[in-house]
Amino acid sequence: KQEVTQIPAALSVPEGENLVLNCSFTDSAIYNLQWFRQDPGKGLTSLLLIQSSQREQTSGRLNASLDKSSGRSTLYIAASQPGDSATYLCAVKGGNKLVFGAGTILRVKS
Amino acid sequence: GAGVSQSPSNKVTEKGKDVELRCDPISGHTALYWYRQSLGQGLEFLIYFQGNSAPDKSGLPSDRFSAERTGGSVSTLTIQRTQQEDSAVYLCASSLGWTEVEKLFFGSGTQLSVL
Repeated sequence: KQEVTQIPAALSVPEGENLVLNCSFTDSAIYNLQWFRQDPGKGLTSLLLIQSSQREQTSGRLNASLDKSSGRSTLYIAASQPGDSATYLCAVKGGNKLVFGAGTILRVKS
Repeated sequence: GAGVSQSPSNKVTEKGKDVELRCDPISGHTALYWYRQSLGQGLEFLIYFQGNSAPDKSGLPSDRFSAERTGGSVSTLTIQRTQQEDSAVYLCASSLGWTEVEKLFFGSGTQLSVL
């Protein structure tokens, strides 16, 4: 059974800092890995999707890497802003469904 | 539509009552998912539809839960004889198809409170 773990559970940083969120998964037989953002009371917004054959994806200030063999992914956020404050969720796709981690709650202080 | 639409946004019900939650996916999206998010918990997979068929119902917690999808579009999640432990946010998501490049698009969810 696939299990996804995210570290840290919560993170508070000053504005402008670069930061890394970590995700690990137990079964390397995945189709893809996705990073989502969830704002309070809202649904999830897909940030980046990395296919199993890829090593990383970039979108603006976000960069996500995937090391499938070691079961790890990182989400790098450059020059963090207060608007980045949200819960960040990692999810891996194997079979018919996405399996989610519990998320990292990020707070960027101005 | 422009995005995944869920209704109602909030539902308060009494223990033992039946509830129906609705999801209207993005037009043309063939895959549809239901997830549940309990307070302080991660997202829990419930059921997946490809078109109108549900090849994976493995996440439904009990036989009180059922879901259907008609016309390859709107889906309804029904919870019979609700219990307090059913209180959660129920999220629906859709994707264009089922390949490794497909992103999921989520609705804003239905907050269900069982008193």
